Amino acid sequence: EIVLTQSPGTLALSPGERATLSCRASQSVTSSYLAWYQQRPGQAPRLLIYGASSRATGIPDRFSGSGSGTDFTLTISRLEPEDFAVFYCQHYGNSLWTFGQGTKVEIK
Amino acid sequence: QVQVQQWGAGLLRPSETLSLTCAVYGGSFSGFYWSWIRQPPGKGLEWIGEINQSGTTNYSPSLKSRVTISIDTSRNQFSLKLNSVTAADTAVYYCASSRRYIFYNWEYYMDVWGKGTTVTVSS
Repeated sequence: EIVLTQSPGTLALSPGERATLSCRASQSVTSSYLAWYQQRPGQAPRLLIYGASSRATGIPDRFSGSGSGTDFTLTISRLEPEDFAVFYCQHYGNSLWTFGQGTKVEIK
Repeated sequence: QVQVQQWGAGLLRPSETLSLTCAVYGGSFSGFYWSWIRQPPGKGLEWIGEINQSGTTNYSPSLKSRVTISIDTSRNQFSLKLNSVTAADTAVYYCASSRRYIFYNWEYYMDVWGKGTTVTVSS
């Protein structure tokens, strides 16, 4: 079973700054099966990125995904107040879905 | 636009069976897999299992022995049963789409989510 490890656990930044979140897989994965989600307090997760780099419908272009193999990155180019939340990476493989443990982006 | 609405009992005693249902409306029921995910208080997301229109299921190995996911295509609904619950099963439970069949290919992501049901297990 693939394990996804996200870093850092918490990222303290100011609005307008760039956020770089990492997701590392325990073994090489297919990029098509790698997604990112945002979860605000008290809300369900929201799909941001699928296929490692494709933005979901309605997601602003300040969100971008990249990576391949075992290392994937979610970048938020300029943080808006509504972007402060917890972000999860996710993978599908061998009929199983796994989530990373999450990265919290908080206001500095 | 496909949406889901979920419901079920929110308070259980240890050893009871958790039962939740999710209704799909506003679009196609087929062409998707449908999943259950849970989130313990203050913790991350845990996938429980999924089902498709044909009733094919996949389960998390850690929960497989206690979980049953079923589907009612006549009502566009799918359900979760988790037996022998303990306090460790206290969580917010979400239903969501997983895998979407678009242009003759499956795409792998969860883009339709329910609002979540808080389930508390306490004696």
